[in-house]
Amino acid sequence: ELKVEQNPLFLSMQEGKNYTIYCNYSTTSDRLYWYRQDPGKSLESLFVLLSNGAVKQEGRLMASLDTKARLSTLHITAAVHDLSATYFCAVDIHNNNDMRFGAGTRLTVKP
Amino acid sequence: KAGVTQTPRYLIKTRGQQVTLSCSPISGHRSVSWYQQTPGQGLQFLFEYFSETQRNKGNFPGRFSGRQFSNSRSEMNVSTLELGDSALYLCASSPLASSYNEQFFGPGTRLTVL
Repeated sequence: ELKVEQNPLFLSMQEGKNYTIYCNYSTTSDRLYWYRQDPGKSLESLFVLLSNGAVKQEGRLMASLDTKARLSTLHITAAVHDLSATYFCAVDIHNNNDMRFGAGTRLTVKP
Repeated sequence: KAGVTQTPRYLIKTRGQQVTLSCSPISGHRSVSWYQQTPGQGLQFLFEYFSETQRNKGNFPGRFSGRQFSNSRSEMNVSTLELGDSALYLCASSPLASSYNEQFFGPGTRLTVL
């Protein structure tokens, strides 16, 4: 059974600091997705990583994928309060829009 | 381009009742997936439809069912509601059958079972 594990589950950061969220998954996949969810809201797509070594950056967020290690990272650079949200990674192993999500990392950025 | 829409946005039901939720995908998208989100279990895959065919189903009891219409709109039905069915139900649409493209999520339907 596919397992998608994120860590940490809770992250409290100060503004201006850097940190990395990790996403490990238990079976072969070359597709990894990152989403953001604000309280009471739906999921917003951040990154779609479609191959080994893929790296994507948007603003203060950068995501990477290592399919051999079955590991994706979401790196936060110089955090700001607006990044406070829950971040999910998801894996689709069947190539048919059936995504399995990690438990989410609740990020709080404090001034 | 309009996003994914879900109706109703909020719903309150009592145990034993049944409920139908609706999802209209982005125009041109043919795949619709449904997810249940709860504080305890997180985001769990329910089922996915493509061109009116259910291709995959998650680990949920038969009380959870769905369908997709020729215009790609989808409905999911939950019969004999239980307290544990209280959740945010999200649908997501995608243009193609494969997941080499992102899924776009709707705002969700928050179901409360009393």
